[in-house]
Amino acid sequence: LAKTTQPISMDSYEGQEVNITCSHNNIATNDYITWYQQFPSQGPRFIIQGYKTKVTNEVASLFIPADRKSSTLSLPRVSLSDTAVYYCLVGDRGGYNKLIFGAGTRLAVHP
Amino acid sequence: DADVTQTPRNRITKTGKRIMLECSQTKGHDRMYWYRQDPGLGLQLIYYSFDVKDINKGEISDGYSVSRQAQAKFSLSLESAIPNQTALYFCATSERLADEQFFGPGTRLTVL
Repeated sequence: LAKTTQPISMDSYEGQEVNITCSHNNIATNDYITWYQQFPSQGPRFIIQGYKTKVTNEVASLFIPADRKSSTLSLPRVSLSDTAVYYCLVGDRGGYNKLIFGAGTRLAVHP
Repeated sequence: DADVTQTPRNRITKTGKRIMLECSQTKGHDRMYWYRQDPGLGLQLIYYSFDVKDINKGEISDGYSVSRQAQAKFSLSLESAIPNQTALYFCATSERLADEQFFGPGTRLTVL
């Protein structure tokens, strides 16, 4: 199983760009990288998914270096409403391990 | 209306009682999942189902059972509830295994 490691917590201020890095040294060739966001007492919500290089959507960007041993979720100009827990998951599209959520990164955005 | 619904939203019960949590979805997905989340921790997979005839154990299936009554319905049962099963329970669906999952609002279960 591709184990992921994320910082336990991060702090930021409104308007700043936030980058959350996830390490996945044992990522396999067929593995994708997926990020979810979770607000207190709510179910996680899909943010973005990628395989290599860069993926961007209306919410975030995902940067994946050539060796794919890590990935960085980038949230541009965060607001207070971005305060949440962010989870990085790694696995192939048919794989069980992509269903494993770690402890995530708790992001606190301050005024 | 929500795509994934869970009932009840909150439940308080006593040790030894049998409890059933229900999940329904209108997304037409084949895959359904049950997770539990303890305070301050990530989600742990209890059971997952590829389709009506295919049910699989997750990380922490002991003490739980499931029933997939139809494509749209996936129930989680605690045969004899114990206090350390106090947690937030989430149901989720996906179109294919490990693709984007859509989560329900959660059921907060307290076992006294």
